[in-house]
Amino acid sequence: EIVMTQSPATLSVSPGERATLSCRASQSVSSNLAWYQQKPGQAPRLLIYGASTRATGIPARFSGSGSGTEFTLTISSLQSEDFAVYYCQQYNNWPLRTFGQGTKVEIK
Amino acid sequence: EVQLVESGGGLVQPGGSLRLSCAASGFTFSSYWMSWVRQAPGKGLEWVANIKQDGSEKYYVDSVKGRFTISRDNAKNSLYLQMNSLRAEDTAVYYCARHRNWFDPWGQGTLVTVSS
Repeated sequence: EIVMTQSPATLSVSPGERATLSCRASQSVSSNLAWYQQKPGQAPRLLIYGASTRATGIPARFSGSGSGTEFTLTISSLQSEDFAVYYCQQYNNWPLRTFGQGTKVEIK
Repeated sequence: EVQLVESGGGLVQPGGSLRLSCAASGFTFSSYWMSWVRQAPGKGLEWVANIKQDGSEKYYVDSVKGRFTISRDNAKNSLYLQMNSLRAEDTAVYYCARHRNWFDPWGQGTLVTVSS
C-alpha cells in the first residue's frame, strides 16, 4: 500500500498570503496525484489532478506541482473561502486509492 | 448539472446490515467507474470500493472485503453499497463519487452510525 503523508497538519495563514502544502508518497506515484478541498459539513471538491491540472472552475490561485514522491499545492493569495482542509490522493496503485491525512488551513 | 445524491444511512447495531443508495444525474452514468469513499467523524478520507461501468469488476479496501458489496443499476442510474456485519469502526459519512482515477464529483454523503 502506498502511504501518503501530508505536512503540516495545520497551517496558519493570513488572508492574502501564500499557502504551501506538502504531500509525500511512500513510493513513486509518477504524476498520478489529486488534491481536494473540504469545508466543514461539505463533501470534498476536486481541485487538481495529474499533479498540476486544475479541475473545471477552480481559480488560478490554486496550483499543483511535483512528481514521483514529492508534491506541493500552492494557494497564491488566500481568500476567506479557501480556509478548509486539503487532502492529496494517489491513483498510481490500481485499484487501491489512498489519501493523505489532510492539512487544515486556518486563519492566522 | 452533474449530481450525486446518497441515501440509506442511519443507526444500526453492531453485526447489523444497511444498504446505501446513490442516485446519479446529469451525466451518462453507464460510462463511468463509480466509487464509495467514507470519512469517520473528525477523520480523513478512506476509499472503500470501486465498480466498473458494467459491474464486471469490483474492488474493495481490505477492511470491508467479505462484508460490503458494491453494485449498480445502469437502467436506474443508481449505485449501491450493501453493508453486512457492521462494526463500530464502520461509523462514517459515506460518499459516492464518480471515479476517473480521481473522484469527481462527490455526493453530499450519508451518515452511518454503528452503535448499540
